[in-house]
Amino acid sequence: GESVGLHLPTLSVQEGDNSIINCAYSNSASDYFIWYKQESGKGPQFIIDIRSNMDKRQGQRVTVLLNKTVKHLSLQIAATQPGDSAVYFCAEIGGSNYKLTFGKGTLLTVNP
Amino acid sequence: DGGITQSPKYLFRKEGQNVTLSCEQNLNHDAMYWYRQDPGQGLRLIYYSQIVNDFQKGDIAEGYSVSREKKESFPLTVTSAQKNPTAFYLCASKTGGTAKNIQYFGAGTRLSVL
Repeated sequence: GESVGLHLPTLSVQEGDNSIINCAYSNSASDYFIWYKQESGKGPQFIIDIRSNMDKRQGQRVTVLLNKTVKHLSLQIAATQPGDSAVYFCAEIGGSNYKLTFGKGTLLTVNP
Repeated sequence: DGGITQSPKYLFRKEGQNVTLSCEQNLNHDAMYWYRQDPGQGLRLIYYSQIVNDFQKGDIAEGYSVSREKKESFPLTVTSAQKNPTAFYLCASKTGGTAKNIQYFGAGTRLSVL
């Protein structure tokens, strides 16, 4: 079946370093992608999104890169802070399917 | 404040009991969604509604029921047929019905079995 998955389930970085969280997707019809941040016991919080007509999009301290050739998505966080510690999910939607499909998530831990 | 409100935050279910989780949004969003999240897992879609008085089953609808009588409300009932209901339940909404855009989430309800 089609799925969205993550290369690394956990990532530990030092405060101030840049973080890169990766995501692979298998549905070639996917044309819209969202990154969410989820802190413990809370609902997912929107970070940034990207459509398939773009290969890069930047927000505040975050950049999403989309490589449609290899069906890979990444989230880059600049100058990672302790408050960035959370689980990060990528989600995708494509074709006539109106449902978001979520990956399992990556736990980011920022060490002071 | 605009947003999505889920209640209660914690809920306990006795065996054989139906329980209802509330989700209310004042964002004027057309579409609403219910997800289930198990520990260390991603979100799985239970039910969704793209417009008032209409809803569709998601990937894991068995043992659950919903209604969408008002645009701002999308309650989820966990029935006694759901044999493993312990999970974190998340409600989401978005504008634009079938349009592909951001889903916004509530704070969740944690359901446990007594």
